[in-house]
Amino acid sequence: EVVMTQSPATLSVSPGERATLSCRASQSVSSNLAWYQQKPGQAPRLLIYDASTRATGIPARFSGIGSGTEFTLTISSLQSEDFAVYYCQQYNNWPPITFGQGTRLEIK
Amino acid sequence: EVQLVESGGDLVQPGGSLRLSCATSGFTFNSYEMTWVRQAPGKGLEWISYISSIGSTKYYADSVKGRFTISRDNDKNSLHLQMHSLRAEDTAMYYCARGGAYYWDWGQGTLVTVSS
Repeated sequence: EVVMTQSPATLSVSPGERATLSCRASQSVSSNLAWYQQKPGQAPRLLIYDASTRATGIPARFSGIGSGTEFTLTISSLQSEDFAVYYCQQYNNWPPITFGQGTRLEIK
Repeated sequence: EVQLVESGGDLVQPGGSLRLSCATSGFTFNSYEMTWVRQAPGKGLEWISYISSIGSTKYYADSVKGRFTISRDNDKNSLHLQMHSLRAEDTAMYYCARGGAYYWDWGQGTLVTVSS
């Protein structure tokens, strides 16, 4: 099973600033990685798939990069609606599909 | 507009059974793989089961294998999860999701609570 590790657990950033979230896989997952955003009381929403492709309707301030074992989600200029929990997920070696434990992005 | 609406969650005693359903609309259901993902209170996301578009291939997480069964009815555009031998650790919000490898759309979830 591929273990996904996200860092940091919590990230405090001011609105308008850049946020950088990291995700590491215990073995290579090529570019088979997705990112999701989850707000309190809501279902997750797909942001990025194939490591760097934005899903339909996702603003350009969200970008993903990486391959192999190291991945990054960057939000270029934080808006109030971006404060949420973010999960990475690998789909290279499955089953099982595995998720990271999440990074909580909070307002500084 | 794609819609996924889960139902069937309830309070159940340990060892009990439940059947979850996911009614879908807004897309060609029989063309898509489908998945169940759960989230324990205050915890992260856990993949639990997958079914191919025609239902011929099914996968389960080790944590539910032998106790849960995924199925689909392509005539009724619905997905199901039959759960037996429920344990306290199965307490979670259960989401159905469109997709097999990654998940384009999610329902709002249905809450399963296993407690005596």
